[in-house]
Amino acid sequence: RKEVEQDPGPFNVPEGATVAFNCTYSNSASQSFFWYRQDCRKEPKLLMSVYSSGNEDGRFTAQLNRASQYISLLIRDSKLSDSATYLCVVYPSGSARQLTFGSGTQLTVLP
Amino acid sequence: DAGVTQSPTHLIKTRGQHVTLRCSPISGHKSVSWYQQVLGQGPQFIFQYYEKEERGRGNFPDRFSARQFPNYSSELNVNALLLGDSALYLCASSLLRDTYEQYFGPGTRLTVT
Repeated sequence: RKEVEQDPGPFNVPEGATVAFNCTYSNSASQSFFWYRQDCRKEPKLLMSVYSSGNEDGRFTAQLNRASQYISLLIRDSKLSDSATYLCVVYPSGSARQLTFGSGTQLTVLP
Repeated sequence: DAGVTQSPTHLIKTRGQHVTLRCSPISGHKSVSWYQQVLGQGPQFIFQYYEKEERGRGNFPDRFSARQFPNYSSELNVNALLLGDSALYLCASSLLRDTYEQYFGPGTRLTVT
């Protein structure tokens, strides 16, 4: 079983739509959680951290459920520029204490 | 301030050859981590070096090796290349050894034919 599992998509949504991504993780010792964004053929970039209390950054809302080991990302009012791959990330990963990435969910926002 | 830099940007090698990838961390950062990202997958941890010593290793064969220099730059070496080594190799630097705050370079895209 993968440590971090995501629905690979692709998600194709019209501009203005609301879209939600889900992620589950297997290591209950994980302490920190993130969503990264990766544009085609570019490096991943931190989008936002995820907290148990939930956190919002503009049109983006992230939520963590530690009991269910589940992380979510909600994007409201989708823009064309939101088209990218969204990676769910947990830290630390075992003894190496490194970032562990999910396989990513591909989003395409259509005009 | 300069971010993490990696060289070369792209590379094409033949099966069985050897490759060396280079990374320069953000000034002042002492930790460098290497990740491999195969098409359609998320980045997978290969190595971490901190203060010139290996501090972590992912599940990769011994064909993969790395080192860190006194100026904290790093090299990733891969011997006896296989087709499956074709990937984007990402370097991430951080100030501390144990931290999630890692800054990624643009990556080196390696194609093995």
